[in-house]
Amino acid sequence: ELKVEQNPLFLSMQEGKNYTIYCNYSTTSDRLYWYRQDPGKSLESLFVLLSNGAVKQEGRLMASLDTKARLSTLHITAAVHDLSATYFCAVHNAGNMLTFGGGTRLMVKP
Amino acid sequence: EPEVTQTPSHQVTQMGQEVILRCVPISNHLYFYWYRQILGQKVEFLVSFYNNEISEKSEIFDDQFSVERPDGSNFTLKIRSTKLEDSAMYFCASTSSGGPPLHFGNGTRLTVT
Repeated sequence: ELKVEQNPLFLSMQEGKNYTIYCNYSTTSDRLYWYRQDPGKSLESLFVLLSNGAVKQEGRLMASLDTKARLSTLHITAAVHDLSATYFCAVHNAGNMLTFGGGTRLMVKP
Repeated sequence: EPEVTQTPSHQVTQMGQEVILRCVPISNHLYFYWYRQILGQKVEFLVSFYNNEISEKSEIFDDQFSVERPDGSNFTLKIRSTKLEDSAMYFCASTSSGGPPLHFGNGTRLTVT
């Protein structure tokens, strides 16, 4: 059974600081996704990582994938308040199923 | 940009009642999904649907659940006899090819009292 673990589960950081969210998964997969969720809202697709060594960047967020280590990271550079949200990684499982991590609730304080 | 739309946004029902959650996937998409998120917890896969049949389902998707594509545009999730533990946000998603990314709707918050 595929297990996906994120850490930390909760992250409070100051504006301007850098931090990394980690996503570990237990079995081989060829696709990993990062989603953002604002309170009470839907899941917004941030990144799709399709191969080992893939790195994608959008604004202050950068995601990478190491399929050998079964690890993806979401790095936040110079955080701003607008980045406050819950971030989920999700790993593509057999067939068309996504298995989500537990989420990382990020709060960026002024 | 095309969107997945879900109705209603919030539904309150009594335990034991039947509910139908409705979704209109993006028009040229062929693969449809239901996920749920119990408040404050992670998102869980329920079922995937392609070519008018279920292609995969999780352990959560038991005999109380069913899905249907009654016409060319709607995709529904029915819960026959709701339980308190069915209270959650239910997300519909669709994709054109079965591949990334999944496009999620805004969800239906189901509250079972």
